[in-house]
Amino acid sequence: AQSVTQLGSHVSVSEGALVLLRCNYSSSVPPYLFWYVQYPNQGLQLLLKYTSAATLVKGINGFEAEFKKSETSFHLTKPSAHMSDAAEYFCAVNHNTDKLIFGTGTRLQVFP
Amino acid sequence: NAGVTQTPKFQVLKTGQSMTLQCAQDMNHEYMSWYRQDPGMGLRLIHYSVGAGITDQGEVPNGYNVSRSTTEDFPLRLLSAAPSQTSVYFCASSHPRGTGFGYTFGSGTRLTVV
Repeated sequence: AQSVTQLGSHVSVSEGALVLLRCNYSSSVPPYLFWYVQYPNQGLQLLLKYTSAATLVKGINGFEAEFKKSETSFHLTKPSAHMSDAAEYFCAVNHNTDKLIFGTGTRLQVFP
Repeated sequence: NAGVTQTPKFQVLKTGQSMTLQCAQDMNHEYMSWYRQDPGMGLRLIHYSVGAGITDQGEVPNGYNVSRSTTEDFPLRLLSAAPSQTSVYFCASSHPRGTGFGYTFGSGTRLTVV
């Protein structure tokens, strides 16, 4: 069965620091992988997705993620955090099925 | 272009009451799903549909019913509300399988069962 694990339910960084949110997946076949962001009291917005093309995927708001098959990882990064990046981030996996399976989420706090 | 529309945005129910959460999309998406979001548990799949007339269960289907009579609409019914169903519910829709489009989400329904 496919699944995702997000390491760290809370991550805190200073404004301008590197953001690294971790996601590991479990899938018996090459998956589609996604990162979603949820701002307070809002729905989920797609940040970026991996669909077996380039392994380094660039998304909105300066975020990017790298698919590493050998490590079964799809970590989300941003070189310089901004206060507006404070939100909850969800990794999700889908491998050619009808279901999108989510991790438990990582709440990012950005301090001035 | 409305995307995915959920109604109501907020609802308070008494234990044992029934209600229907509405979801409509105008993108001609074949796939639609319902998720519930609870603190520390991420989003869990309740039911999903791959097209009109076809539905299937997700991870946490107990206490919920769905139907899909049209491509656009995918209502979620709570048969007899329980406090454990207090949650935020999200409806989502997607293009067909294998395209890797990901899902488009509605803005959610915050349900409290007292």
